[in-house]
Amino acid sequence: SQTIHQWPATLVQPVGSPLSLECTVEGTSNPNLYWYRQAAGRGLQLLFYSVGIGQISSEVPQNLSASRPQDRQFILSSKKLLLSDSGFYLCAWSTPDSSYEQYFGPGTRLTVT
Amino acid sequence: AQKITQTQPGMFVQEKEAVTLDCTYDTSDQSYGLFWYKQPSSGEMIFLIYQGSYDEQNATEGRYSLNFQKARKSANLVISASQLGDSAMYFCAMREGPYNFNKFYFGSGTKLNVKP
Repeated sequence: SQTIHQWPATLVQPVGSPLSLECTVEGTSNPNLYWYRQAAGRGLQLLFYSVGIGQISSEVPQNLSASRPQDRQFILSSKKLLLSDSGFYLCAWSTPDSSYEQYFGPGTRLTVT
Repeated sequence: AQKITQTQPGMFVQEKEAVTLDCTYDTSDQSYGLFWYKQPSSGEMIFLIYQGSYDEQNATEGRYSLNFQKARKSANLVISASQLGDSAMYFCAMREGPYNFNKFYFGSGTKLNVKP
């Protein structure tokens, strides 16, 4: 069966520090991968998605970047965090060629102080 | 225009009663999928139910059913016999296709509170 992992679960970082959040998927190959951010009490904002290794689509211009160094690994990064980067970050995967659902990871709660 | 619209930021329902959460969508594609997710306070996103655009029957999963009205572009979630554990945020989402099944669009969510 497929599983999706995210780490860390929680993170407190000072403004101006770098960020690296990791997401890995097991039990499937060539998945579509997604990064979402959710501000407190709000909906999901799609940040990046990837349809293959090295292929990244950015949805919102921002202080963040994403990379996909391996088929089932998706990394969200920042060189210098801003206060507005605080939020709940969710990674998700889906099959690339059907209309079926996304599967979400447990999320990372990031607080920038 | 927004792809997914959820007009109810918050709702209350009495335990054991049914509740309908509204969702309308906007697409010009003929092939698409509609989804509902539940997000408890823990933050995890739990998939509840799926409706394909070509499905003629409304989807059902246990106490959840999706009232799919294609002409009106609505995909309302009906929860029957509400339970206290149903208190959560609920998100409607859509995936368009068939040539670009890559992006999902989410609504802003509805916060459901079930009262004992």
